[in-house]
Amino acid sequence: GENVEQHPSTLSVQEGDSAVIKCTYSDSASNYFPWYKQELGKRPQLIIDIRSNVGEKKDQRIAVTLNKTAKHFSLHITETQPEDSAVYFCAASIEAGGSYIPTFGRGTSLIVHP
Amino acid sequence: ETGVTQTPRHLVMGMTNKKSLKCEQHLGHNAMYWYKQSAKKPLELMFVYSLEERVENNSVPSRFSPECPNSSHLFLHLHTLQPEDSALYLCASSQESNRPYGYTFGSGTRLTVV
Repeated sequence: GENVEQHPSTLSVQEGDSAVIKCTYSDSASNYFPWYKQELGKRPQLIIDIRSNVGEKKDQRIAVTLNKTAKHFSLHITETQPEDSAVYFCAASIEAGGSYIPTFGRGTSLIVHP
Repeated sequence: ETGVTQTPRHLVMGMTNKKSLKCEQHLGHNAMYWYKQSAKKPLELMFVYSLEERVENNSVPSRFSPECPNSSHLFLHLHTLQPEDSALYLCASSQESNRPYGYTFGSGTRLTVV
């Protein structure tokens, strides 16, 4: 089955700095990669996703890159703000016939210091 | 509310008790999931229901018993649990189609087994 590794487990940055979270996956058939943000005491929420037919996707201060050859993908947050502090989960899945079940990474606890 | 409601939010139960967790979604999705979230671990998929039929059971102990009476409701029946079962139990739903939408998670039930 799929195995997703996520690093680092904890990331501490100063407000305004950039943050990068990296994930690797094992199944070359995986083709859909969502990222979730979970604030303390709240539910995980989808923040951005990427499919294997593109290499990069941006949404304001958040971007995700995908390297299919190396089987790794990354989340980039620029100009970090204290409200970005949360646990971020990457996931990999095979989207087939409209159905998919993601395998999640262990999560990265991002702390943004004001 | 994002459309996925879980009750109760917190539950403390003894090892000999029987209790049930409830999940309800108002998004018109046709797939529902139970996840277990423990500290320092990836989200663990427990059960998947697609069109009200269970499609996956990831070797979950029989002390956890799911029920999906219709596409909007999902239950997790608990009996004779162990302290190591203490965790956050998250329900999620999605729409399986040619272009699946990302999971929508509920807020979770924080379960403590004493």
